[in-house]
Amino acid sequence: DGGITQSPKYLFRKEGQNVTLSCEQNLNHDAMYWYRQDPGQGLRLIYYSQIVNDFQKGDIAEGYSVSREKKESFPLTVTSAQKNPTAFYLCASSHSGDSYEQYFGPGTRLTVT
Amino acid sequence: AQSVAQPEDQVNVAEGNPLTVKCTYSVSGNPYLFWYVQYPNRGLQFLLKYITGDNLVKGSYGFEAEFNKSQTSFHLKKPSALVSDSALYFCAVRFRWGNGQNFVFGPGTRLSVLP
Repeated sequence: DGGITQSPKYLFRKEGQNVTLSCEQNLNHDAMYWYRQDPGQGLRLIYYSQIVNDFQKGDIAEGYSVSREKKESFPLTVTSAQKNPTAFYLCASSHSGDSYEQYFGPGTRLTVT
Repeated sequence: AQSVAQPEDQVNVAEGNPLTVKCTYSVSGNPYLFWYVQYPNRGLQFLLKYITGDNLVKGSYGFEAEFNKSQTSFHLKKPSALVSDSALYFCAVRFRWGNGQNFVFGPGTRLSVLP
């Protein structure tokens, strides 16, 4: 899982509560990403950030928010507006530039009841 | 639109036999193609990538992939499968998006290597 940490590994919340997922990297990567993975499915992009203080919506940004105040950190908040928040959330980072691969964190499994 | 297809949800092979996991892509411009592997409840691990040059790319754990521009394919291969290769495999393409780059992933193929 490289130099990316996500915490916690498992998270349980009640419906109607906002929850923030942590993602930290020590790889000196400019770009960071959040994906959602549902059982048996591929990855869907929530938000991405190419540089500090800048981020862009992905394919499924509704009900989520992010911040990028530091290069190393890209926290994701799952708000109460997200209709189906229970999922496996993956954070990734990469160098900028076409040829660079992404490095992924170990993931956070969020369960909302 | 950029897209990646993995036509097989599941691939079963016997240990010791060669394996192939298929990937086709649609991307404007030059493709930058990647393969990742995911073990249960873990993040994705990078296996290999094609940027330019030789169409046969070698990667981690004995895997290789063949880039075929005319068929827009990037199939993952291994000459002799191991039971420990059983996992979920994702093909991905990197492309220009806004002022930077982004990735799109295929839906994944579950590989089962039977002893």
